[in-house]
Amino acid sequence: QVHLQESGPGLVKSSETLSLTCTVSGASINYYSWSWIRQSPGKGLEWIGYISTGGSTSYNPSLKSRVAISLDTSKNQFSLRVSSITVADTALYFCARHGLSGYGSHFDYWGPGSRVAVSS
Amino acid sequence: DIQMTQSPSSLSASVGDRVTITCRASQTISSYLNWYQQKRGEAPKFLIYASSSLQSGVPSRFSGSGSGTDFTLTISSLEPEDFATYYCQQSYDFPYTFGQGTRLEF
Repeated sequence: QVHLQESGPGLVKSSETLSLTCTVSGASINYYSWSWIRQSPGKGLEWIGYISTGGSTSYNPSLKSRVAISLDTSKNQFSLRVSSITVADTALYFCARHGLSGYGSHFDYWGPGSRVAVSS
Repeated sequence: DIQMTQSPSSLSASVGDRVTITCRASQTISSYLNWYQQKRGEAPKFLIYASSSLQSGVPSRFSGSGSGTDFTLTISSLEPEDFATYYCQQSYDFPYTFGQGTRLEF
């Protein structure tokens, strides 16, 4: 059974850096690609970026200059860093696994989400 | 970015009803279209990939169709547990984008 669990601070100060970790069990992060997705009332579901098995990344241009995703294969985890946080980054942050079909990626397993609030 | 537009934004229905949700892409995406169900307070649950392929374990009352720019999700006979919000998502190109959601309610 594949299980993902996000962890990180619930509250971040404006202008600081948000760091979140996703711990994966039931699957090796070496064999799949992984994404971060966030959800806020104002913008719905927003894909942040992904990291592949080889460590290649792709980020949403809306966040690209502020975002970094990395793997820690020794802990079967992957992480998200978002710098220069603002109130607009307040959201529920999900980590998700990529499933593969002949038509690109879908997100077949999700963590329960980590709620992040940004204080000014 | 490819914009995904769902209609309706909300839909009132009853147990046993047949319902259809539409998703339109701002450009052609072939069959690179996925569907998710989200219940309040939970993460989205993956339902359908490649426009019409049902994920293992998803009830057969769910079906998807379409290609190009126009897609539909159909629930043939609503069960109480189906009242939720549904999202489409394109996997044709980065950045992956989602529809704004369709809330299915009593």
